[in-house]
Amino acid sequence: GNSVTQMEGPVTLSEEAFLTINCTYTATGYPSLFWYVQYPGEGLQLLLKATKADDKGSNKGFEATYRKETTSFHLEKGSVQVSDSAVYFCAWISSGSARQLTFGSGTQLTVLP
Amino acid sequence: DAGITQSPRHKVTETGTPVTLRCHQTENHRYMYWYRQDPGHGLRLIHYSYGVKDTDKGEVSDGYSVSRSKTEDFLLTLESATSSQTSVYFCAISSQGGGGQETQYFGPGTRLLVL
Repeated sequence: GNSVTQMEGPVTLSEEAFLTINCTYTATGYPSLFWYVQYPGEGLQLLLKATKADDKGSNKGFEATYRKETTSFHLEKGSVQVSDSAVYFCAWISSGSARQLTFGSGTQLTVLP
Repeated sequence: DAGITQSPRHKVTETGTPVTLRCHQTENHRYMYWYRQDPGHGLRLIHYSYGVKDTDKGEVSDGYSVSRSKTEDFLLTLESATSSQTSVYFCAISSQGGGGQETQYFGPGTRLLVL
């Protein structure tokens, strides 16, 4: 069935380390892909998105490239900060009539000073 | 930030009691959604609305009903709350439905505890 598989957490990094959070999806057609971030006690915020193959979404130093051949949308950042500590969710939505965002289970990131 | 508020933000209730959560938006967006967030499951869609009085079920709709009498308000009702409905509930809005181009914007959440 349709799903999103995210790298399990928690992930703990030192400040300025390189971050990768893996995300692969199973979907029919050509979905749009998203990364959302949830800071403690808050709702989800859109971090970045990509709507077609080979698109790269980027925001706040984070990047993710829509790889259709590997059905992946891995999140990367070259140098993390303490303020990046949050839970990160990968998600997709169908390009068809379905309106449901399908989410991964989330990856908790903690960045230590 | 998208103008979305949820009320209440926290609620404790007892099994068997009815509970209504409210989502209010100031963006005049057509589509509104209710999700629940549980550990290990990410967010799962409960119900959504594609216009006033137009609603449809999501992945985990059993035990929930919704109503939308105005564009700006989307209500989620637990007719008879159960402990399995203890969760964090998020409302989301979008200007378009499906098509792959929409972005959903989320409210701050309501934390519900059913004893």
